[in-house]
Amino acid sequence: AQTVTQSQPEMSVQEAETVTLSCTYDTSENNYYLFWYKQPPSRQMILVIRQEAYKQQNATENRFSVNFQKAAKSFSLKISDSQLGDTAMYFCAFMKHVKYNQGGKLIFGQGTELSVKP
Amino acid sequence: EAQVTQNPRYLITVTGKKLTVTCSQNMNHEYMSWYRQDPGLGLRQIYYSMNVEVTDKGDVPEGYKVSRKEKRNFPLILESPSPNQTSLYFCASSPGDRSYEQYFGPGTRLTVT
Repeated sequence: AQTVTQSQPEMSVQEAETVTLSCTYDTSENNYYLFWYKQPPSRQMILVIRQEAYKQQNATENRFSVNFQKAAKSFSLKISDSQLGDTAMYFCAFMKHVKYNQGGKLIFGQGTELSVKP
Repeated sequence: EAQVTQNPRYLITVTGKKLTVTCSQNMNHEYMSWYRQDPGLGLRQIYYSMNVEVTDKGDVPEGYKVSRKEKRNFPLILESPSPNQTSLYFCASSPGDRSYEQYFGPGTRLTVT
């Protein structure tokens, strides 16, 4: 069975600084997806970034980038130029690749509560 | 607007009183699922459905039921709620050919006293 571990329950960063959130996972699958979701106080689940395991290049989305280390089963999220609006719970998640309409189950980590301080 | 809706958004109820949380999506997605979120545990899948009349258990199905009579709707039923079902619940959907595109509902905060 797959597992996802986020070992940092809480983190804080000063506005405009850079912060890295850690995530490790365990799987015997070779083809899968990894995600970072943001959950602000509104509780809405917002996709931050997605990485396909077969792609060696790390995904980036504006100020958000990942460091994907497949052999080490590590998937960290770097937030550059942190903004007050980045304050939220962040979840790392895993999904194994499936064939058409064979499901889309996400396995989530425990979450990291990030506070951006002015 | 493409969206997943859930109702109610907040619910306080008492032990044993049957309740239903509705979930509806307007994107013609085949796959739908329910998750519960608890502090320190992240989100865990309760039930899922791959299409109309096709449902199956997720990781934490005890105490829950679901049905999928129409493609757009996937209600979560708690026949006899207990305090350990106090949680934040999310419905999600995705298209059959792009399972990695998950659309989440806004969440339902349930408190069972």
